This record gives sequence, C-alpha cells and structure tokens, in this order.
Amino acid sequence: EAQVTQNPRYLITVTGKKLTVTCSQNMNHEYMSWYRQDPGLGLRQIYYSMNVEVTDKGDVPEGYKVSRKEKRNFPLILESPSPNQTSLYFCASSLGQGGSYEQYFGPGTRLTVT
Amino acid sequence: AQSVSQHNHHVILSEAASLELGCNYSYGGTVNLFWYVQYPGQHLQLLLKYFSGDPLVKGIKGFEAEFIKSKFSFNLRKPSVQWSDTAEYFCAVNSYKLSFGAGTTVTVRA
Repeated sequence: EAQVTQNPRYLITVTGKKLTVTCSQNMNHEYMSWYRQDPGLGLRQIYYSMNVEVTDKGDVPEGYKVSRKEKRNFPLILESPSPNQTSLYFCASSLGQGGSYEQYFGPGTRLTVT
Repeated sequence: AQSVSQHNHHVILSEAASLELGCNYSYGGTVNLFWYVQYPGQHLQLLLKYFSGDPLVKGIKGFEAEFIKSKFSFNLRKPSVQWSDTAEYFCAVNSYKLSFGAGTTVTVRA
C-alpha cells in the first residue's frame, strides 16, 4: 500500500530535550516536505527536499533541522524544542514540486513541549 | 508573494443542506489549485484539483469546485451534505510554491 508513515504519532517532551520525528514514504517520490498545522493558521511549510541531499527552508524553518540521506526518509529534528513548537506536524511527499502534483500526507505527529 | 484566503473559519449546517466554501488566492501567474480534506483524527487527503481545461472540476464524494480566473477564486461546493462530511477543508495553490489556506471547519448536524 502506497503510504507516508510518521513516528511517533504522539509525543510529549520537555523544553530543550532533542527529538526526532521520522518520516518514510514507499512511493519513490522525489519531493518531501514537513508542515506544521496550527489552529487558524492552516498548514505552514517548515522544510522541503527536492531529492536526496537537497533540502531547503520553507516558511517557518526556525528551530528545526532536516536531512535527506535516502530517498524514502526525511526526518525532522528539533535540537532544542520550545513550547512554541507545540503543534501537529505532517510529513508529505509527491512526485515533484509545483504543477499539479498531489501531496500525499502522513498521519501526523502531535507534539507537546512543556 | 502568493497567499491563499479561505473566507469562513467555521461552517455549521444540517444534513442535506448545500455547502459552498470560498477560496481566493493572490498570484497573477499560472496556478494549480487543490482542495484537501482532513476528517477528524485523520491525515489530509485530496478532494479535487484543477490544473487546466474545464474550470468546473469534480472530485470525490460528490464535491466540485469552480475556478474563476478573473476573480482569483476556487470555491468548493456540494449540493447536499452528509454527516460524514464533517471535516476540515483546506484550499491550496501551487505556482512557484505550494501554499495552504487557514482551513475551514465544517460541522454537519444529523
């Protein structure tokens, strides 16, 4: 089954404790991205990757890191989480950027930073 | 800069009522337009998309949307909603980047 998986689905952590949210897709998509969803703000892009070893900042990259060492994986790293990073995070993948490419979303990771 | 505006934050209606959700974007070039839906506790999934041709696009579950270029709009419609249409709906525009609107929560009362 074609899908995007994320882990963990729920995470409660404390300020400053480094964490990683994993994302994996099995559709051989080149383009992957991370979004955060906050009430009233919709989805905002954090980082995206056009292909292996190619990543770039989205609209809200501060406080986040990503890497793309393999085509299928695109982990999101919070080196020193803060309470304002409490949010619902979605990973997405698509065949490419731009055009009419549909984004395939993961199930989401609800992060709470206390 | 590109932006997407969804007119309604929360819509409440009864089953069998008609639904229309507004979406306007600000970008003068060629765009590709999407509506995504997020059912409670689930991930976003594509309802429909427009990239060229007939400006009236039909999607899944009886939804349709009309692209009106002169108004920079891509409104979503459904003639008769069901309780199962309760969800959050996001308009998205893809030109040089993909941008999402803030979302509209739709609550359908049985």
